[in-house]
Amino acid sequence: AQSVAQPEDQVNVAEGNPLTVKCTYSVSGNPYLFWYVQYPNRGLQFLLKYITGDNLVKGSYGFEAEFNKSQTSFHLKKPSALVSDSALYFCAAGYSSASKIIFGSGTRLSIRP
Amino acid sequence: EAGVTQSPTHLIKTRGQQATLRCSPISGHTSVYWYQQALGLGLQFLLWYDEGEERNRGNFPPRFSGRQFPNYSSELNVNALELEDSALYLCASSFSELTLHEQYFGPGTRLTVT
Repeated sequence: AQSVAQPEDQVNVAEGNPLTVKCTYSVSGNPYLFWYVQYPNRGLQFLLKYITGDNLVKGSYGFEAEFNKSQTSFHLKKPSALVSDSALYFCAAGYSSASKIIFGSGTRLSIRP
Repeated sequence: EAGVTQSPTHLIKTRGQQATLRCSPISGHTSVYWYQQALGLGLQFLLWYDEGEERNRGNFPPRFSGRQFPNYSSELNVNALELEDSALYLCASSFSELTLHEQYFGPGTRLTVT
Protein backbone atom coordinates (compact mmCIF):
# COMPACT_ATOMS: atom_id res chain seq x y z
CA ALA A 1 0.00 0.00 0.00
CA GLN A 2 1.14 3.51 -0.75
CA SER A 3 2.00 5.48 2.37
CA VAL A 4 3.94 8.39 3.80
CA ALA A 5 5.29 8.28 7.33
CA GLN A 6 6.34 11.13 9.55
CA PRO A 7 7.63 9.28 12.60
CA GLU A 8 7.77 12.29 14.91
CA ASP A 9 4.60 14.03 16.06
CA GLN A 10 6.66 16.88 17.51
CA VAL A 11 10.18 18.22 17.04
CA ASN A 12 11.64 20.77 19.45
CA VAL A 13 14.69 22.82 18.49
CA ALA A 14 16.43 25.86 19.94
CA GLU A 15 16.58 28.94 17.76
CA GLY A 16 19.78 29.04 15.72
CA ASN A 17 20.27 25.28 15.78
CA PRO A 18 19.84 23.07 12.72
CA LEU A 19 16.53 21.28 12.34
CA THR A 20 15.43 18.06 10.65
CA VAL A 21 11.88 16.86 10.11
CA LYS A 22 11.78 13.25 8.98
CA CYS A 23 9.72 11.67 6.21
CA THR A 24 9.77 8.23 4.65
CA TYR A 25 7.59 7.01 1.82
CA SER A 26 6.35 3.86 0.18
CA VAL A 27 4.98 4.40 -3.32
CA SER A 28 5.15 2.50 -6.57
CA GLY A 29 7.68 3.56 -9.16
CA ASN A 30 9.49 6.87 -9.07
CA PRO A 31 8.07 9.12 -6.38
CA TYR A 32 7.20 12.78 -6.56
CA LEU A 33 7.75 14.29 -3.12
CA PHE A 34 6.55 17.48 -1.52
CA TRP A 35 6.79 19.41 1.74
CA TYR A 36 4.07 21.77 2.91
CA VAL A 37 3.83 24.00 5.99
CA GLN A 38 0.69 25.00 7.86
CA TYR A 39 0.68 28.02 10.16
CA PRO A 40 -2.08 28.30 12.80
CA ASN A 41 -5.57 28.81 11.33
CA ARG A 42 -4.19 28.84 7.80
CA GLY A 43 -4.21 26.54 4.81
CA LEU A 44 -1.11 24.65 3.73
CA GLN A 45 1.69 26.42 1.90
CA PHE A 46 4.01 24.70 -0.57
CA LEU A 47 7.67 24.63 0.52
CA LEU A 48 9.50 22.48 -2.02
CA LYS A 49 9.24 19.45 -4.27
CA TYR A 50 11.36 16.71 -5.78
CA ILE A 51 10.39 15.37 -9.19
CA THR A 52 13.71 14.37 -10.72
CA GLY A 53 17.31 15.57 -10.87
CA ASP A 54 19.48 16.66 -7.96
CA ASN A 55 18.76 14.85 -4.74
CA LEU A 56 19.10 18.05 -2.72
CA VAL A 57 16.16 20.36 -3.28
CA LYS A 58 16.07 23.95 -2.04
CA GLY A 59 12.78 25.62 -1.21
CA SER A 60 11.17 28.59 0.45
CA TYR A 61 12.27 30.23 3.73
CA GLY A 62 15.73 28.61 3.65
CA PHE A 63 14.42 25.05 3.83
CA GLU A 64 15.89 22.19 1.86
CA ALA A 65 15.21 18.47 1.57
CA GLU A 66 17.30 15.52 0.51
CA PHE A 67 15.86 12.68 -1.54
CA ASN A 68 17.43 9.37 -0.57
CA LYS A 69 16.20 6.56 -2.79
CA SER A 70 17.91 3.73 -0.94
CA GLN A 71 16.41 4.80 2.37
CA THR A 72 13.11 5.94 0.78
CA SER A 73 13.38 9.17 2.71
CA PHE A 74 12.84 12.85 2.05
CA HIS A 75 13.85 14.66 5.23
CA LEU A 76 13.30 18.40 5.55
CA LYS A 77 16.22 20.43 6.88
CA LYS A 78 17.25 23.96 7.73
CA PRO A 79 20.73 24.98 8.91
CA SER A 80 19.56 27.58 11.44
CA ALA A 81 16.04 27.52 12.90
CA LEU A 82 13.95 30.63 13.51
CA VAL A 83 11.12 31.01 16.03
CA SER A 84 8.90 31.90 13.06
CA ASP A 85 9.50 28.40 11.64
CA SER A 86 7.22 27.01 14.37
CA ALA A 87 4.33 25.37 12.49
CA LEU A 88 2.88 22.05 11.34
CA TYR A 89 4.82 20.39 8.52
CA PHE A 90 3.41 17.83 6.10
CA CYS A 91 5.29 15.54 3.76
CA ALA A 92 3.42 14.26 0.69
CA ALA A 93 4.09 11.78 -2.11
CA GLY A 94 2.69 10.83 -5.46
CA TYR A 95 3.84 8.84 -8.46
CA SER A 96 3.36 8.99 -12.18
CA SER A 97 0.21 6.92 -12.48
CA ALA A 98 -1.37 8.07 -9.26
CA SER A 99 -4.59 9.98 -9.05
CA LYS A 100 -4.01 11.46 -5.63
CA ILE A 101 -1.27 12.75 -3.40
CA ILE A 102 -0.71 10.93 -0.12
CA PHE A 103 0.01 13.12 2.89
CA GLY A 104 1.84 12.17 6.05
CA SER A 105 0.26 12.75 9.44
CA GLY A 106 2.21 15.94 10.06
CA THR A 107 5.00 16.98 12.43
CA ARG A 108 4.65 19.93 14.74
CA LEU A 109 7.88 21.92 14.81
CA SER A 110 8.47 24.10 17.85
CA ILE A 111 11.41 26.50 17.93
CA ARG A 112 12.23 27.94 21.35
CA PRO A 113 13.96 31.32 21.66
CA GLU B 1 -2.41 36.80 -8.41
CA ALA B 2 -5.42 35.88 -6.28
CA GLY B 3 -5.06 32.71 -4.27
CA VAL B 4 -7.51 29.91 -3.67
CA THR B 5 -10.60 31.23 -1.93
CA GLN B 6 -13.10 29.31 0.16
CA SER B 7 -16.47 30.21 1.59
CA PRO B 8 -17.81 30.38 4.16
CA THR B 9 -15.00 30.71 6.69
CA HIS B 10 -17.06 29.10 9.39
CA LEU B 11 -20.21 27.00 9.18
CA ILE B 12 -22.30 25.72 12.06
CA LYS B 13 -24.87 23.03 11.39
CA THR B 14 -26.86 20.55 13.41
CA ARG B 15 -26.73 16.80 13.02
CA GLY B 16 -28.73 15.57 10.05
CA GLN B 17 -28.55 18.83 8.09
CA GLN B 18 -26.69 19.40 4.84
CA ALA B 19 -23.61 21.58 4.39
CA THR B 20 -22.34 23.20 1.18
CA LEU B 21 -18.79 24.47 0.96
CA ARG B 22 -17.40 26.45 -1.96
CA CYS B 23 -13.97 26.87 -3.51
CA SER B 24 -12.55 29.06 -6.26
CA PRO B 25 -9.19 27.95 -7.68
CA ILE B 26 -6.30 30.06 -8.83
CA SER B 27 -6.81 31.36 -12.35
CA GLY B 28 -5.44 28.86 -14.87
CA HIS B 29 -5.72 25.87 -12.55
CA THR B 30 -8.07 23.16 -13.76
CA SER B 31 -7.79 20.74 -10.85
CA VAL B 32 -9.49 21.16 -7.48
CA TYR B 33 -8.98 18.91 -4.46
CA TRP B 34 -10.86 18.66 -1.20
CA TYR B 35 -9.34 17.49 2.08
CA GLN B 36 -10.70 16.98 5.56
CA GLN B 37 -8.45 17.96 8.45
CA ALA B 38 -9.99 16.70 11.65
CA LEU B 39 -8.27 17.39 14.95
CA GLY B 40 -5.35 15.03 15.40
CA LEU B 41 -6.00 13.10 12.19
CA GLY B 42 -3.83 14.92 9.69
CA LEU B 43 -5.00 15.55 6.16
CA GLN B 44 -7.47 13.10 4.65
CA PHE B 45 -8.03 13.17 0.89
CA LEU B 46 -11.70 13.58 -0.04
CA LEU B 47 -12.14 14.36 -3.74
CA TRP B 48 -10.27 15.42 -6.86
CA TYR B 49 -11.94 17.20 -9.78
CA ASP B 50 -10.30 18.04 -13.07
CA GLU B 51 -11.91 19.58 -16.12
CA GLY B 52 -15.33 19.14 -14.59
CA GLU B 53 -15.01 15.44 -13.84
CA GLU B 54 -14.40 13.54 -10.63
CA ARG B 55 -11.00 11.87 -10.99
CA ASN B 56 -10.70 10.19 -7.64
CA ARG B 57 -12.26 10.06 -4.20
CA GLY B 58 -10.94 9.04 -0.83
CA ASN B 59 -12.39 6.60 1.68
CA PHE B 60 -15.43 8.65 2.60
CA PRO B 61 -19.11 7.65 2.46
CA PRO B 62 -21.31 8.71 -0.49
CA ARG B 63 -22.93 11.47 1.57
CA PHE B 64 -19.74 13.41 0.78
CA SER B 65 -20.11 14.60 -2.79
CA GLY B 66 -19.26 17.54 -4.95
CA ARG B 67 -18.96 18.97 -8.39
CA GLN B 68 -16.81 21.25 -10.47
CA PHE B 69 -18.33 24.00 -12.56
CA PRO B 70 -17.29 25.16 -16.07
CA ASN B 71 -15.28 28.02 -14.51
CA TYR B 72 -13.39 25.36 -12.47
CA SER B 73 -14.82 26.46 -9.14
CA SER B 74 -16.06 23.63 -6.98
CA GLU B 75 -18.63 22.76 -4.36
CA LEU B 76 -18.44 20.15 -1.62
CA ASN B 77 -21.71 18.86 -0.24
CA VAL B 78 -22.03 16.88 2.94
CA ASN B 79 -25.46 15.34 3.54
CA ALA B 80 -26.91 13.93 6.74
CA LEU B 81 -24.25 15.59 8.87
CA GLU B 82 -22.77 13.66 11.77
CA LEU B 83 -20.88 15.01 14.76
CA GLU B 84 -17.63 13.50 13.51
CA ASP B 85 -17.86 15.58 10.32
CA SER B 86 -16.71 18.55 12.39
CA ALA B 87 -13.37 19.51 10.87
CA LEU B 88 -11.45 22.01 8.80
CA TYR B 89 -12.18 21.41 5.11
CA LEU B 90 -9.38 22.50 2.83
CA CYS B 91 -9.60 23.09 -0.88
CA ALA B 92 -6.52 23.14 -3.10
CA SER B 93 -5.94 23.77 -6.77
CA SER B 94 -3.19 22.98 -9.24
CA PHE B 95 -2.49 22.62 -12.90
CA SER B 96 -3.53 19.25 -14.22
CA GLU B 97 -1.20 16.24 -14.01
CA LEU B 98 -1.65 16.18 -10.27
CA THR B 99 1.46 14.46 -9.17
CA LEU B 100 3.86 16.79 -10.96
CA HIS B 101 2.51 20.04 -9.66
CA GLU B 102 2.34 21.50 -6.20
CA GLN B 103 -1.06 22.30 -4.79
CA TYR B 104 -2.12 25.72 -3.60
CA PHE B 105 -4.41 25.64 -0.59
CA GLY B 106 -7.19 27.91 0.50
CA PRO B 107 -7.62 29.01 4.12
CA GLY B 108 -10.29 26.39 4.75
CA THR B 109 -13.87 26.24 5.98
CA ARG B 110 -14.31 25.20 9.59
CA LEU B 111 -17.44 23.10 9.86
CA THR B 112 -18.92 22.53 13.28
CA VAL B 113 -21.73 20.02 13.69
CA THR B 114 -23.72 20.20 16.91
